[in-house]
Amino acid sequence: RKEVEQDPGPFNVPEGATVAFNCTYSNSASQSFFWYRQDCRKEPKLLMSVYSSGNEDGRFTAQLNRASQYISLLIRDSKLSDSATYLCVVNSYNAGNMLTFGGGTRLMVKP
Amino acid sequence: EPEVTQTPSHQVTQMGQEVILRCVPISNHLYFYWYRQILGQKVEFLVSFYNNEISEKSEIFDDQFSVERPDGSNFTLKIRSTKLEDSAMYFCASSEDRARNTIYFGEGSWLTVV
Repeated sequence: RKEVEQDPGPFNVPEGATVAFNCTYSNSASQSFFWYRQDCRKEPKLLMSVYSSGNEDGRFTAQLNRASQYISLLIRDSKLSDSATYLCVVNSYNAGNMLTFGGGTRLMVKP
Repeated sequence: EPEVTQTPSHQVTQMGQEVILRCVPISNHLYFYWYRQILGQKVEFLVSFYNNEISEKSEIFDDQFSVERPDGSNFTLKIRSTKLEDSAMYFCASSEDRARNTIYFGEGSWLTVV
């Protein structure tokens, strides 16, 4: 079983749409959770950390369900500039500060 | 905003040659990392480095790989004898501390082994 699993997509949505991505992780000892964004052939950039109580940053909302080992990202009012690959990332401190990446979900926002 | 810088941005090398990828982490950061991403695949952890020694390494980081902090600013990844399957984007990263600190990535060094 993959450690961090995501639907690869692509998700093709019109501008202004709301889109949701899901992610599951297998290591129950995982302690920190993140969504990174990666543009084509660029480095991953932190979009937001994910907290147990859920958190919001502008148009982006992240949720964590530890019992189900499930993380989600909701993007409201999609912009063309949101087109990218969204990486679900997990950090298990029993493995040091080593990030485990999902394969990413590709989002394409169309005019 | 401070950033992690990497050189070269792109290198083409012949199979069997040694390659050194260089990184300058963010200046007040103490933990350094190398990750790699084979084209079309996920980002994979290679190694973490703290206090002038390796903290953790993955199964990918075999005897062909080594890391070094030769001076106060550079952090290098050496691949001793490159193989075709070493072709990938190599990302250097750094963090201020180990526990729950954001890891910042450099723009990557694209290595092509021919």
